[in-house]
Amino acid sequence: QSALTQPPSASGSPRQSVTISCTGTSGDVGGYDYVSWYQQHPGKAPKLMIYEVSKRPSGVPDRFSGSKSGNTASLTVSGLQTEDEADYYCSSYAGGNNLLFGGGTKLTVL
Amino acid sequence: QVQLVESGGGVVLPGGSLRLSCAASGFTFWIYDLHWVRQAPGRGLERMTGISSDGSNKNYADSVKGRFTISRDNSKNTVFLQMNNLRAEDTAVYYCARGPGGWAFDHWGQGTLVTVSS
Repeated sequence: QSALTQPPSASGSPRQSVTISCTGTSGDVGGYDYVSWYQQHPGKAPKLMIYEVSKRPSGVPDRFSGSKSGNTASLTVSGLQTEDEADYYCSSYAGGNNLLFGGGTKLTVL
Repeated sequence: QVQLVESGGGVVLPGGSLRLSCAASGFTFWIYDLHWVRQAPGRGLERMTGISSDGSNKNYADSVKGRFTISRDNSKNTVFLQMNNLRAEDTAVYYCARGPGGWAFDHWGQGTLVTVSS
């Protein structure tokens, strides 16, 4: 199974919004509502930002939101802040106890 | 607070073995699934294996099946990863992560680096 497809980079200015896409197939993103998003700062462990497509764990700002349409999931960060600059990874259940990750997107806050 | 602390990483020769441990605290260990996720230098994340709360169910990515074994000791709040026949491509930071369900990982350890090199 191939990794999910994410753009390698994204950028936005402070206070703007940016959306990161995560494209899979009907066998993963399109077939299950088990899409998650993780934020990773350099040298740090990943942090869960979104689970089950659009749910936010306690403590994650509501500036972060998730959605899905067909085989593509999206993470939107509204009101960009400098601390949002990080790598973002999506993941999706792919059946048969398999979990796929995307290749990651480096978000730059200009 | 929830803590996961990995240990056991290091440098190993190709074909060698290593055993990683992940000690958990701050939560009811025995009701959660646990997973190992790795990240090669400068690369993305790869979930390798997971184990159910009671240890009865285990699953592996194809890339490590037959070489890696996950286990847990609920009396010691620890999950293990036995890695055999290591290859250069296994070089990565290895994270343990808690799985509350829904195939999401809500807490991660700080990671331990495994380097496979001659």
